[in-house]
Amino acid sequence: SYVLTQPPSVSVAPGKTATITCGGNNIGTKSVHWYQQKPGQAPVLVIFYNSDRTSGIPERFSGSNSGNTATLTISRVEAGDEADYYCLVWDSTTDHAVFGGGTQLTVL
Amino acid sequence: QMQLVQSGAEVKRPGSSVKVSCKTSGGIISDSAFSWVRQAPGQGLEWMGRIIPRSGTTKYAQSFQGRVTIIADKSTSTSYMELRRLRSEDTAVYYCARGLTSIAQPNDWYFDIWGRGTLVSVSS
Repeated sequence: SYVLTQPPSVSVAPGKTATITCGGNNIGTKSVHWYQQKPGQAPVLVIFYNSDRTSGIPERFSGSNSGNTATLTISRVEAGDEADYYCLVWDSTTDHAVFGGGTQLTVL
Repeated sequence: QMQLVQSGAEVKRPGSSVKVSCKTSGGIISDSAFSWVRQAPGQGLEWMGRIIPRSGTTKYAQSFQGRVTIIADKSTSTSYMELRRLRSEDTAVYYCARGLTSIAQPNDWYFDIWGRGTLVSVSS
């Protein structure tokens, strides 16, 4: 089955840029979607189809996907961005959804 | 805007079953697909399966095959997820989520709307 690998944690100072990666075999040939989840809340879709931003999500959030790595980039990080972030792909081989293990973003 | 309203928390004994509901409001259930995703305490998201109400077709994750059933009642715009033979490791928050695709990528699904989750606790 398809496996997605995310770093368990990323730390960044306010105002700096956070980069969260999602690794998978030839992930650049798939569509990657990103979710933000704050404690006690349901996940929220922030990026879909690699780089499309959901309505209401700040332009500071952007996505890219190439080769074996997809990336969620958060510019000018704010304290309110602190959350867990998950990548998602749909594995067409098995017709199953696959989530990455999640990355905890800490704003220092 | 469609909303997904889930049933309340459940406490179950090992070996029993649980059935969680997810009622849609503000939309037509037949126009969408619905997946169920769970999250154990302190853990990540785990996809369980999905249903396309219009056709009734289902797909289940290998790890839940034989233990989970997902159905959709179009008359009440409600999806249900039943998990059987519960064990303590099934203690988790269970989410329903609406699945979307695009014309360009009809077999590539993602989830845009989520319910608030239902906590299922399994303990003797």
